[in-house]
Amino acid sequence: GAVVSQHPSRVICKSGTSVKIECRSLDFQATTMFWYRQFPKQSLMLMATSNEGSKATYEQGVEKDKFLINHASLTLSTLTVTSAHPEDSSFYICSAPPGLPRETQYFGPGTRLLVL
Amino acid sequence: DAKTTQPTSMDCAEGRAANLPCNHSTISGNEYVYWYRQIHSQGPQYIIHGLKNNETNEMASLIITEDRKSSTLILPHATLRDTAVYYCIVRLHGSSNTGKLIFGQGTTLQVKP
Repeated sequence: GAVVSQHPSRVICKSGTSVKIECRSLDFQATTMFWYRQFPKQSLMLMATSNEGSKATYEQGVEKDKFLINHASLTLSTLTVTSAHPEDSSFYICSAPPGLPRETQYFGPGTRLLVL
Repeated sequence: DAKTTQPTSMDCAEGRAANLPCNHSTISGNEYVYWYRQIHSQGPQYIIHGLKNNETNEMASLIITEDRKSSTLILPHATLRDTAVYYCIVRLHGSSNTGKLIFGQGTTLQVKP
């Protein structure tokens, strides 16, 4: 089946630094990818839609200047958490639908971010 | 997309069938029912989806009531590796499909030996 990878799987950083998370579709092209955030014992919350060749679309309440998204190619989207703070510590997950129509989505394994 | 209601948690004995219910009473005619699951500290995994007919694949069966207001995911022979949070999601297909998945709280299924 389709595979989506994320890198890194785990990252620890100091408060105030920026962290970049990569999401790759390994065996298919994805014009759209999605970024989610999940706090402990909570459900996934959609943050934004990453669009290849255009700006990302952010969900209400998500700061676009803090969570920079770049969809550089048809197989890569990056999420950069800028000036990270302890409250940004979370599990970040990306997903990608292989082609159109976007009925089924495949999720990456997630990236656990800990900001000290 | 229509809202869904699922029990918070369920237990199932290993080897027995696990039946996970989902209510989606406000579902519209062109909305599909999707099931995903998330094993602890991993990304969600697609299980199955359907519109109005019952569906079966290698992982599970999906039973949708005739009025489409509820559905049941069936894992026929649950194993310890099926312990996970199961999410029932209702969403549009076709040109109105943005691809977004909106997750509710899901059902935590604990399979016990």
